[in-house]
Amino acid sequence: KAGVTQTPRYLIKTRGQQVTLSCSPISGHRSVSWYQQTPGQGLQFLFEYFSETQRNKGNFPGRFSGRQFSNSRSEMNVSTLELGDSALYLCASSLGSRGNEQFFGPGTRLTVL
Amino acid sequence: DQQVKQNSPSLSVQEGRISILNCDYTNSMFDYFLWYKKYPAEGPTFLISISSIKDKNEDGRFTVFLNKSAKHLSLHIVPSQPGDSAVYFCAASPRNSGYALNFGKGTSLLVTP
Repeated sequence: KAGVTQTPRYLIKTRGQQVTLSCSPISGHRSVSWYQQTPGQGLQFLFEYFSETQRNKGNFPGRFSGRQFSNSRSEMNVSTLELGDSALYLCASSLGSRGNEQFFGPGTRLTVL
Repeated sequence: DQQVKQNSPSLSVQEGRISILNCDYTNSMFDYFLWYKKYPAEGPTFLISISSIKDKNEDGRFTVFLNKSAKHLSLHIVPSQPGDSAVYFCAASPRNSGYALNFGKGTSLLVTP
């Protein structure tokens, strides 16, 4: 069974630009969550999508948005990039109930210059 | 504010001995707790979880203990092996939150031969 894949793996952008990251969950998984990992703040929850609907949202500004498609693939978008958005962005998928294991992808390393 | 805290950034243990990783939380709405393990350049991997209705859960060499009154949980690894060297994250989920995980900042475990 293929794992969670994230594209691209590495990305360099400049302040003010916008970026779209992609996540393909494990086949059959309907829940996709996004996390931001930085050295200072650790892993922070961004949002979770389940069956194309945002089910949960973390405490991030509106510049961070996401969506999920009917095949469960998900994208997250960050507009008007700031230097502080430089981070590892992790996507995780699961069947959707809390007792189900959540599988993480390798992440996308975003650097904002 | 950090609702899940791992106060020891690092821990070194000899092979064969017990590793004890600690985690404290502040939000009394958390009722599901998980431990993840992370190697460099990979996403976190689920290790073990515990629901608040239990105070202990075992899976092979890994045992998680939950002390609800102290809002404290710990992960015991017995016996520790060099391959266990990684960063360990504690995570917690509030009731009715789907998969909105709050992570600690991690403890780097080094198991020496």
